[in-house]
Amino acid sequence: EDKVVQSPLSLVVHEGDTVTLNCSYEVTNFRSLLWYKQEKKAPTFLFMLTSSGIEKKSGRLSSILDKKELFSILNITATQTGDSAIYLCAVENQAGTALIFGKGTTLSVSS
Amino acid sequence: GAGVSQSPSNKVTEKGKDVELRCDPISGHTALYWYRQRLGQGLEFLIYFQGNSAPDKSGLPSDRFSAERTGESVSTLTIQRTQQEDSAVYLCASSLGLGTGQPQHFGDGTRLSIL
Repeated sequence: EDKVVQSPLSLVVHEGDTVTLNCSYEVTNFRSLLWYKQEKKAPTFLFMLTSSGIEKKSGRLSSILDKKELFSILNITATQTGDSAIYLCAVENQAGTALIFGKGTTLSVSS
Repeated sequence: GAGVSQSPSNKVTEKGKDVELRCDPISGHTALYWYRQRLGQGLEFLIYFQGNSAPDKSGLPSDRFSAERTGESVSTLTIQRTQQEDSAVYLCASSLGLGTGQPQHFGDGTRLSIL
């Protein structure tokens, strides 16, 4: 059965800290891995990763994929209170017909 | 509109009633997806449409669930004879199309509460 596992499930840090969120997967017919940020409502798209070893970066956020070891990490540097959210990792199947989600990591950044 | 629009945003209903949830995708997006998010759980895939075709209904939790899409526009998810375990947030997403390498973009969801 396809599965996506995220760790830790929750994390509390202070403003300015750097955090690393983990996502491992066992999915047949892998196409891509995506990270989303979910605050109150809609998950908002962060990154889509398809190739190993190529870092994607957006401001203080970055992510990388290892297709050999079947995992990805999401890094957030110099965290701010606005980074508090649930971070969702999802793997897209080859046909692009569905995303398989992990349970998410709840990040709380205190000031 | 600029994003995926879902309505209603909240729905409270009594057990046994039917409910209809609506999703309006981003203009030009041919692929549309429905997910369910139960409290404390990850998003669970329900069904996808490419155009108005839904070739795989196996992700729907039971035969009380059905979904339709008109052309490449609005989709409705219908739950008949609702049960308390149907309480969840129902999220809709759209993308440019299957296999385009473009990400899914989500709406705000409908929070469904069954009393």
